[in-house]
Amino acid sequence: GENVEQHPSTLSVQEGDSAVIKCTYSDSASNYFPWYKQELGKRPQLIIDIRSNVGEKKDQRIAVTLNKTAKHFSLHITETQPEDSAVYFCAATQSGTYKYIFGTGTRLKVLA
Amino acid sequence: NAGVTQTPKFQVLKTGQSMTLQCAQDMNHEYMSWYRQDPGMGLRLIHYSVGAGITDQGEVPNGYNVSRSTTEDFPLRLLSAAPSQTSVYFCASSYSSGWGTSTDTQYFGPGTRLTVL
Repeated sequence: GENVEQHPSTLSVQEGDSAVIKCTYSDSASNYFPWYKQELGKRPQLIIDIRSNVGEKKDQRIAVTLNKTAKHFSLHITETQPEDSAVYFCAATQSGTYKYIFGTGTRLKVLA
Repeated sequence: NAGVTQTPKFQVLKTGQSMTLQCAQDMNHEYMSWYRQDPGMGLRLIHYSVGAGITDQGEVPNGYNVSRSTTEDFPLRLLSAAPSQTSVYFCASSYSSGWGTSTDTQYFGPGTRLTVL
């Protein structure tokens, strides 16, 4: 089955710097890759997603890139702000099974 | 719309007790899932359903049962609670893009924090 690895587990950046979180997946049939942000004590919320027919997607300060050949996708946050501090999860679907497999999460700390 | 709702928010059980975690959604979503979240282990899929009457196992199904008699509800049953089931449980729902091979945005409920003594 699908396996998703996420790195790093923790990431500290200075306010205004960029942050990059990377995930690798094992099932070449996976075709949908969402990213979720979870603030302390809250539910995960979708922040951006990408499908396998697209290489990059941007939404203001957030972007996601996908390399199907290498089977990895990355979250890029530019001009980080203190409110970006949270745990970020990547996920991948097993095509046709509708199962989401999540990475283990990255705790991002933005230092003021 | 209320979105995805879960009850209770908190629960303490003794080892061996049974209980049902409730999950409901009012968005007419076909797909519903249960996850458990443990420190350092992310979200692990317990069971999921692709429609009323259809359920399947996820990564960590042992000790849990589910059923899907209606589109709206997807309860999770703990048959005989164990301390290893202490966790935060999230229910989620999503809808199909209609293209047959992938799901779209997944919406999470607020979670249930379960402690088994």
